[in-house]
Amino acid sequence: GAVVSQHPSWVICKSGTSVKIECRSLDFQATTMFWYRQFPKQSLMLMATSNEGSKATYEQGVEKDKFLINHASLTLSTLTVTSAHPEDSSFYICSAPQPSGSSYNEQFFGPGTRLTVL
Amino acid sequence: QKEVEQDPGPLSVPEGAIVSLNCTYSNSAFQYFMWYRQYSRKGPELLMYTYSSGNKEDGRFTAQVDKSSKYISLFIRDSQPSDSATYLCAMAKTSYDKVIFGPGTSLSVIP
Repeated sequence: GAVVSQHPSWVICKSGTSVKIECRSLDFQATTMFWYRQFPKQSLMLMATSNEGSKATYEQGVEKDKFLINHASLTLSTLTVTSAHPEDSSFYICSAPQPSGSSYNEQFFGPGTRLTVL
Repeated sequence: QKEVEQDPGPLSVPEGAIVSLNCTYSNSAFQYFMWYRQYSRKGPELLMYTYSSGNKEDGRFTAQVDKSSKYISLFIRDSQPSDSATYLCAMAKTSYDKVIFGPGTSLSVIP
């Protein structure tokens, strides 16, 4: 199946710094990518929808100024956590749907990025 | 009321048992119903998807969707220790739409 990569796989940063996470679709183009956050022993919560060439759409309760999303190309979306705080420590996962020729466009998930803010 | 509800478990079964995992949902607009498996510290992987109501079988896995009851199920036959993971039900309104996940059920299959 299609491959979605994320970089870095884990990052530790100091409180107040900014962290950028990359999501790449390796063998297909993705006009839309989704960013999720998962706290320990909890499910994936959608943060925002990243659209190539336009502004991202944020879910209710997600601060757009804190979680900056840039869909720079058809294969790359970035999530920047600005002025990170310990409560932002989480597992961040991106996904991208790929046309499969069937009625369902399977969403392929990246391996995730574990962020720890000290 | 949450959009998607799922018993978080944990669920522990002996090897070879039949496992039943279930989810309920509230939004009748959902048309695509998926089951994902997630191992610890990994991204989720798609097991099966079903469009609208009905059953779908793939090897040891069977997915059922009852839209009238807003209830979906995943059955695992002849469960194996390698099936130990968290199982997430998920739903979407269209094939390109955002996916809404249930909270996940942690499953352990004991040898």
